[in-house]
Amino acid sequence: AQSVTQLDSHVSVSEGTPVLLRCNYSSSYSPSLFWYVQHPNKGLQLLLKYTSAATLVKGINGFEAEFKKSETSFHLTKPSAHMSDAAEYFCVVSEENTGFQKLVFGTGTRLLVSP
Amino acid sequence: EPEVTQTPSHQVTQMGQEVILRCVPISNHLYFYWYRQILGQKVEFLVSFYNNEISEKSEIFDDQFSVERPDGSNFTLKIRSTKLEDSAMYFCASSESRQNTGELFFGEGSRLTVL
Repeated sequence: AQSVTQLDSHVSVSEGTPVLLRCNYSSSYSPSLFWYVQHPNKGLQLLLKYTSAATLVKGINGFEAEFKKSETSFHLTKPSAHMSDAAEYFCVVSEENTGFQKLVFGTGTRLLVSP
Repeated sequence: EPEVTQTPSHQVTQMGQEVILRCVPISNHLYFYWYRQILGQKVEFLVSFYNNEISEKSEIFDDQFSVERPDGSNFTLKIRSTKLEDSAMYFCASSESRQNTGELFFGEGSRLTVL
């Protein structure tokens, strides 16, 4: 079965500094990987996705992630944090493409941004 | 912008009572899902639904759970006899395509508290 591990439950940064949220995956097949964000009292929103095309994926709000097969990683980065980036971030892998979209979520990383 | 809407946002119920959580997916979407997140735990897949039938379900989705699309717009999750461990945030999602893109659109969730 596929799985993801988010290495940090909380990450704190100052506004204007870089963001790095770490994710490692486990998969027996070519995975599809995603980052979802959840702002307080809001639903889950897709930030970006990797589906076997370009390994560097750009998403919304200046976020990007790089798929590194050799390291089984899919870390999320942003050059400069904004206060509005404070949220919960989920690294997600899709199950084998034998049926419908069943997503497997990581435990989440809460990003805190201070002024 | 089209969105998935869920009602109620919060429901408190007594153990053993039936609960129905309602979702209105995005209108041109054909695939529907329920996920749940117990406080402090991962978001977990419950069930996917297509063409008026369940296409996949997890081991969590036992006989106490059922889903239905009673009309052209609503998608419901019923828990027949709630247990304390059913307390969680329940997320509805929909997607346009079955392709493995992970482009699920999530609602804001319904928080269920079982006393």
